[in-house]
Amino acid sequence: KAGVTQTPRYLIKTRGQQVTLSCSPISGHRSVSWYQQTPGQGLQFLFEYFSETQRNKGNFPGRFSGRQFSNSRSEMNVSTLELGDSALYLCASSPTTDLNTGELFFGEGSRLTVL
Amino acid sequence: AQSVTQLDSQVPVFEEAPVELRCNYSSSVSVYLFWYVQYPNQGLQLLLKYLSGSTLVKGINGFEAEFNKSQTSFHLRKPSVHISDTAEYFCAVRRTGFQKLVFGTGTRLLVSP
Repeated sequence: KAGVTQTPRYLIKTRGQQVTLSCSPISGHRSVSWYQQTPGQGLQFLFEYFSETQRNKGNFPGRFSGRQFSNSRSEMNVSTLELGDSALYLCASSPTTDLNTGELFFGEGSRLTVL
Repeated sequence: AQSVTQLDSQVPVFEEAPVELRCNYSSSVSVYLFWYVQYPNQGLQLLLKYLSGSTLVKGINGFEAEFNKSQTSFHLRKPSVHISDTAEYFCAVRRTGFQKLVFGTGTRLLVSP
């Protein structure tokens, strides 16, 4: 069974540009969450989607957005990139609608560098 | 709101020695507790979790953790570490009924021969 797949693995952008990151969850998983990991702030929750609906959102500016498609694949977008957006962006999928026991399975991440 | 404190940013240890990575949490509501490991250039892998029941939880790779409600702690232990255990370890909490994980700042375990 394939794991969580994130593309691209590495990318370099310049300030002011926008970026779209993709996440394919494990087959059958309907919940997808996104996290940002930086040396200074650690792991921070961005948002979570279930059945194409955003269920929860972290404290990030509106430049950060996401969506989920009917096949559960998810994308996140960051517009007007800033140097501080340089980070590892991790996607996680969960196999169950039971919010109390569903384990999160993480992908290897997309490492974004903003110059 | 929930918060997690990992007091040790780095723990050096010799191979085959025991190790304990400390985690304390704060929450006004019921939470579930997790330990994740991250190897270089990789995502997070679940080591173990506490949802309910026995306070001693056993995980993968010989790790275990004990939930202590009175001390709001969830320390991770391994009786004998290997070089391959060198990695970053994250403690996390999740409020019951929500998928959002709140992570600690991580502890880098450095195992030397």
